[in-house]
Amino acid sequence: GQQLNQSPQSMFIQEGEDVSMNCTSSSIFNTWLWYKQDPGEGPVLLIALYKAGELTSNGRLTAQFGITRKDSFLNISASIPSDVGIYFCAGQGGNTGFQKLVFGTGTRLLVSP
Amino acid sequence: SQTIHQWPATLVQPVGSPLSLECTVEGTSNPNLYWYRQAAGRGLQLLFYSVGIGQISSEVPQNLSASRPQDRQFILSSKKLLLSDSGFYLCAWNPFGTVRDQPQHFGDGTRLSIL
Repeated sequence: GQQLNQSPQSMFIQEGEDVSMNCTSSSIFNTWLWYKQDPGEGPVLLIALYKAGELTSNGRLTAQFGITRKDSFLNISASIPSDVGIYFCAGQGGNTGFQKLVFGTGTRLLVSP
Repeated sequence: SQTIHQWPATLVQPVGSPLSLECTVEGTSNPNLYWYRQAAGRGLQLLFYSVGIGQISSEVPQNLSASRPQDRQFILSSKKLLLSDSGFYLCAWNPFGTVRDQPQHFGDGTRLSIL
C-alpha cells in the first residue's frame, strides 16, 4: 500500500539536542498528523495539522503543514530520554479517500543521557 | 472521555489455528473503526475499516476477515492462521460524520506470534 517518505530513518542524539524530521508525499492531504509509538504500545497522537502553512506547537514539539499540502515536518527541542520512540507522520483525506490514514515509514529516535 | 480497548495483549498460536481479536470503544457512538497490522520496525498497514454495524471494507486481500456485530465492537478473525499473519495488530477509531478529518486514536495493540 501507499506510504509516505519519512526521514531520517533513525537518529541517535544527546540529551538536550534539538531534533528535526520530515515527511513528503506525491499526493496532497487535507490533514497531517504526527504520532509517537513506544515499544509494545499503540501510536499516540502528538499534533494534528488541518491547514496548509499551519504551524502548531505542543510543548517542546512543533510541526508544520507544508504549503503544497504534500509535506510536513516535526521538530523536538531540548530532547530528553523519554522522547525515545518511533515517530510516524500520517496523511489523511485529500486523494486518499474517506478518513483513511497513510503512514510514513517512521523515524526511530534514540536519546542518550 | 473516549477509550479504546484491545485484547488479548499477546497471543501465540499454531499455524492453521483460528483467530479472534477484539476491540471495543467506550464513550462515543457510531465511531469509524479500523484494523491495522504493523510488521516489526515498519509502518502501519490498513487492513479493514468500518463506518457502521455490519459495514466492512477490506483494503488488502489476505487471510483475515473483520466483523462489526455491535456499534462499538470490532473483531478481527481468521479460520486458519498462516506464518505470515504474525505481527502487531492495532485497532483505531475516530468520530463518524464530521466535516473535517478527525485523527484516529489507537488501542495498545495485540502482538500475535504464529508458530
